[in-house]
Amino acid sequence: AQSVTQPDIHITVSEGASLELRCNYSYGATPYLFWYVQSPGQGLQLLLKYFSGDTLVQGIKGFEAEFKRSQSSFNLRKPSVHWSDAAEYFCAVAPNTGFQKLVFGTGTRLLVSP
Amino acid sequence: SAVISQKPSRDICQRGTSLTIQCQVDSQVTMMFWYRQQPGQSLTLIATANQGSEATYESGFVIDKFPISRPNLTFSTLTVSNMSPEDSSIYLCSGSRGLDTEAFFGQGTRLTVV
Repeated sequence: AQSVTQPDIHITVSEGASLELRCNYSYGATPYLFWYVQSPGQGLQLLLKYFSGDTLVQGIKGFEAEFKRSQSSFNLRKPSVHWSDAAEYFCAVAPNTGFQKLVFGTGTRLLVSP
Repeated sequence: SAVISQKPSRDICQRGTSLTIQCQVDSQVTMMFWYRQQPGQSLTLIATANQGSEATYESGFVIDKFPISRPNLTFSTLTVSNMSPEDSSIYLCSGSRGLDTEAFFGQGTRLTVV
């Protein structure tokens, strides 16, 4: 069965500092990979996705993620965090036979300190 | 992506009653899904809403508890039946235009059962 692990429940980063959120997945083949962000009281917004090709993908709001097949990882990064980035971040996977349904990780709550 | 509107955005309900959540997409989508996000937890897929046929439920979810309708390509409803406090969650509707495309989400319905 597919599973997604986000080992960090909470992360606190100073404003202007760099950020890396970890995501590892378990799946028989390379799945489709996604990062979503959920701000308080809001729905989910797609930050970026990986289907195939270049393993470094760029997303919205200055985020990027790198797919590493050997490590079954899809970590999210941002070089300089803004206070407005404080939110819950979810990594998700879907089978690469065509998007059907998402399996989500448990989420990482990002806190940004002044 | 498209815009998904969910109604109601939040509700407080008495145990033993039922609540129907509506999901309206501003354009046609091939696939629609319903997720549950329990307090402090990640998102779990309840079911895939199929147009003109019965929804496809994930393990642990049954039609009697969560009946779903999808009369056309832009609208779906989820009913939470015979509610108990354990049903207190955020329920999110999601849509996708088809294979190899990402999903987009509504803002969710925050349900509290007392």
